[in-house]
This record gives sequence, C-alpha cells and structure tokens, in this order.
Amino acid sequence: KQEVTQIPAALSVPEGENLVLNCSFTDSAIYNLQWFRQDPGKGLTSLLLIQSSQREQTSGRLNASLDKSSGRSTLYIAASQPGDSATYLCAVLTGNQFYFGTGTSLTVIP
Amino acid sequence: DTGVSQDPRHKITKRGQNVTFRCDPISEHNRLYWYRQTLGQGPEFLTYFQNEAQLEKSRLLSDRFSAERPKGSFSTLEIQRTEQGDSAMYLCASSLRLGGEQETQYFGPGTRLLVL
Repeated sequence: KQEVTQIPAALSVPEGENLVLNCSFTDSAIYNLQWFRQDPGKGLTSLLLIQSSQREQTSGRLNASLDKSSGRSTLYIAASQPGDSATYLCAVLTGNQFYFGTGTSLTVIP
Repeated sequence: DTGVSQDPRHKITKRGQNVTFRCDPISEHNRLYWYRQTLGQGPEFLTYFQNEAQLEKSRLLSDRFSAERPKGSFSTLEIQRTEQGDSAMYLCASSLRLGGEQETQYFGPGTRLLVL
C-alpha cells in the first residue's frame, strides 16, 4: 500500500524567507503528484501537479520537483509571505486512488 | 460558480441518528471521490465513482456508510446510526479521468460533522 510522509510536520519562518517542504512516498508507480494548500476548516486548493514523466513544475513563487525513482518531491516557496500560512499537503495518484500525506503546517511571521 | 459544492457545510447530530451529505461536482468531470479528514491528518480515501458506477470502497467505509451517484452527476454520502468516531470533515472531490497522468482533483469546501 502506498504511504506518503511529509516532513516537517510544522514550520515557522519569518516573512521573506525561502523554504522547502518535503514529501516522500513508498511506491514509485505513480501517475502524478499534486501539492495542495488547505486553510483551517476549508477544503483543499490545488497548487501544482507534476506528471510522472515530468521533473518539476513552477507557478509564481512556487516550484515543485519530483524524483520518482527515489520517491521524493519538494515544494519550494520563494520569498514567503504571511498569506502563505496554511497546511500544505502532497498527494500521489497510484492506480485509481490518491494517497495523501499528513501535511506540513506553515506559519509565516510578519 | 463552477467549482465543487457540498451541502451542508456543518452538521451537528446526536449519536444514533442518520445523516446525509450532498456533493455537486464540476459538471464535465467523470470521477467523484469521497474522503474523510480528522484533525491533523490528511484526507483518507472512502470511495469513488466513475460516472454512476461505484468502483472502489475503502475498508474505512463500514456497512453504516453508503454512497450513491444516481445519474453520474451529484453524489450523496449517508451515515446510518452515527457514532462519535464519525466526527470529521467529509470532503468531496471531482476530476476528469482521461489518462492518469493529467488527473487533477478539485475539492469542495467539505462538510464538518460533529456527533454528540
């Protein structure tokens, strides 16, 4: 069964810092990997999707990389802002199921 | 708004009562997923539909849970004889599955259930 792990569980940084969130998965037979943002008590918002044949995707200040063979992905956030404070979740699509990590709770301090 | 919608947003019920949640997916999406999320955890897969067919169910989905998607559009999730352990956020997501690599899930705002 696919298992997804996210490290760290929580992260607090001052505004303006660059940061990296990590996601690892045990089964490399994935179709894609998706990064989501979740604000407290809300649903998930898709940030980036990396197909299994791709190595990275970029959107604004966000850059996500994928190393399928080693079962790892990173989400890089440049020049963090207080509005980036949220929980970030990664999910991998294996077969017909999406498997989620437990998330990294990010706090950006003004 | 053409996103995924869920109703109700919040539900408080007493143990033993039945509850039903509704999800309206993005109209052209052929797949619809239900998840359960508890505090500090990621969403856990419950079940999914391809059009009107329920193709997979998690072992988390006990016989007190039933889901339908009668015309391949909206879906309902019913929990019978609710227990306090059912308290969670229930999330619905939809997607367009043509090839797996490009399948992106779009989530609704969730229904928060509290069983007293």
